[in-house]
Amino acid sequence: AQKVTQAQTEISVVEKEDVTLDCVYETRDTTYYLFWYKQPPSGELVFLIRRNSFDEQNEISGRYSWNFQKSTSSFNFTITASQVVDSAVYFCALSGNTGTASKLTFGTGTRLQVTL
Amino acid sequence: DAGVTQSPTHLIKTRGQQVTLRCSPKSGHDTVSWYQQALGQGPQFIFQYYEEEERQRGNFPDRFSGHQFPNYSSELNVNALLLGDSALYLCASSLLETGRNTEAFFGQGTRLTVV
Repeated sequence: AQKVTQAQTEISVVEKEDVTLDCVYETRDTTYYLFWYKQPPSGELVFLIRRNSFDEQNEISGRYSWNFQKSTSSFNFTITASQVVDSAVYFCALSGNTGTASKLTFGTGTRLQVTL
Repeated sequence: DAGVTQSPTHLIKTRGQQVTLRCSPKSGHDTVSWYQQALGQGPQFIFQYYEEEERQRGNFPDRFSGHQFPNYSSELNVNALLLGDSALYLCASSLLETGRNTEAFFGQGTRLTVV
């Protein structure tokens, strides 16, 4: 069975602070994919990143960066110099690669509140 | 390029009734998945449709059923509604590529309230 744990329920930071959202996963698949999604109040899940299990390189996209460590089964997400617009619920998700189709297993999400 | 569209956006139903939710996938996508997101929780996978067939199913009772049409759009049907079915129902579309897992694009969801 697959499982994603986001231990941080809610984080509050002041604008311009850096913040790291933690994600720990469990899977028996040798090939799998990890995702981060952002959910603003409108409800739509916005795709941020996909990483496959064979690529442990860290990735940076603007103020966003991701740290994938297979040894600790973690895929953490850091926002540098946070902004009020970053306020949302962030979900980490996992899927296997079962051949023809796969499904996403989500964590419970971390609510990020960025204030002025 | 239209993204994933869902209708209706909000719905109120009474216990025991039946409901149908609709989803049009992103242009070029052939796979539709449905998720249920209870308040304060992460989305839970209901099922996935490809080539008009249910390909995978999560841990949901048979009261939850679906359909995919030749134009790739999809419906989610829930029978004998319970109060616990109140949630945001999200549709996700993707392009199936064997051996890869392409990213899923989500609609804004249908908020179902059962009273």
